Amino acid sequence: EAGVTQFPSHSVIEKGQTVTLRCDPISGHDNLYWYRRVMGKEIKFLLHFVKESKQDESGMPNNRFLAERTGGTYSTLKVQPAELEDSGVYFCASSRTHDTQYFGPGTRLTVL
Amino acid sequence: GENVEQHPSTLSVQEGDSAVIKCTYSDSASNYFPWYKQELGKRPQLIIDIRSNVGEKKDQRIAVTLNKTAKHFSLHITETQPEDSAVYFCAASTGRNDMRFGAGTRLTVKP
Repeated sequence: EAGVTQFPSHSVIEKGQTVTLRCDPISGHDNLYWYRRVMGKEIKFLLHFVKESKQDESGMPNNRFLAERTGGTYSTLKVQPAELEDSGVYFCASSRTHDTQYFGPGTRLTVL
Repeated sequence: GENVEQHPSTLSVQEGDSAVIKCTYSDSASNYFPWYKQELGKRPQLIIDIRSNVGEKKDQRIAVTLNKTAKHFSLHITETQPEDSAVYFCAASTGRNDMRFGAGTRLTVKP
């Protein structure tokens, strides 16, 4: 089966700009997760979708981050306006059940 | 919520030696403990996992042990090879879609 895909692989933007990251989960996986990893730190949970519904968004840093999953398929994560501290690698993962998660390749975001 | 601590942050071993990475968790309700390996430029991939109803699981050169009383679990890699070099992440979950990860261990296997 095709794996989780993410787009773009890299994004370099200036502070104050907007960036939208996209994740396509494995087909049939209702659970979709967004994570962020800052250099040397843990893979930090951002939020979790079950189909199109936000199940848990307790990890979202602030209201500059907006995640959507219209139709319960792919998901987008928008950062507006971006700040320097938003830099990091954003991972998406999907799962069919509540345990094994399959990760995408990540989007490396650099905010200058 | 769950808090996962992982040690060491970096680990360097000679090819053929063993490597051990240790994690502790805070939520006694956690019952699923996966380990992911992330090679340079690639996505994290599940390499082994263990559930709370067993104390040890082995798959060729890798093994995981779980001590529920002490709330810690470990990854053991024997006969290390250069291709084992990667960042390894542990994680813990109660099974309610609340998986939390450690900070990662960068393992370097020197030939």
